[in-house]
Amino acid sequence: AQSVTQLGSHVSVSEGALVLLRCNYSSSVPPYLFWYVQYPNQGLQLLLKYTTGATLVKGINGFEAEFKKSETSFHLTKPSAHMSDAAEYFCAVTERGSQGNLIFGKGTKLSVKP
Amino acid sequence: GAGVSQSPSNKVTEKGKDVELRCDPISGHTALYWYRQRLGQGLEFLIYFQGNSAPDKSGLPSDRFSAERTGESVSTLTIQRTQQEDSAVYLCASSLMGVAGPTDTQYFGPGTRLTVL
Repeated sequence: AQSVTQLGSHVSVSEGALVLLRCNYSSSVPPYLFWYVQYPNQGLQLLLKYTTGATLVKGINGFEAEFKKSETSFHLTKPSAHMSDAAEYFCAVTERGSQGNLIFGKGTKLSVKP
Repeated sequence: GAGVSQSPSNKVTEKGKDVELRCDPISGHTALYWYRQRLGQGLEFLIYFQGNSAPDKSGLPSDRFSAERTGESVSTLTIQRTQQEDSAVYLCASSLMGVAGPTDTQYFGPGTRLTVL
């Protein structure tokens, strides 16, 4: 069965530093890939998704992610962290031909230090 | 326009009682999903509706859980004889589920935090 692994339940960076949140999926057939963000006391919001085409995907708030089939990865990056980026980030996949239910990783809580 | 709404936002109940959680999806979204987020764990898929039909109920954790959707709109998740392990945040999401299928963006509600004492 498909699974999603997010390395690091907590990541802390300084303001202005690079943000790198890791995500790997398990299946040999590449799924569709998503990153969602959950700000404190708010619902989940889509950051970006990869479905087909260019493997580097740009999302909202300066985030981007690159699909690497050979590494079964979809890591999320942002060149320069801002205090407002502090949130929990979830990587998720849907399988091709599925009903669209998302399979989530356990999430990574990002802290940004001033 | 309005997003996905859920009610109540918080529910505290005693073990053994029944609870009903409500989801109002975005108007025109034919697909509706329920997920559960237990403390320290990722989101877990429960059930999916296409229109008013739920073709796959295998994600429901036990027969105490049921869900329905009416008018291709409001959905209700019912948990009977609640147990402490049911304590979680229950999230609802909706999507257009048009030709894009499983790549459609899902829009999430704020969730219902259920606490079973």
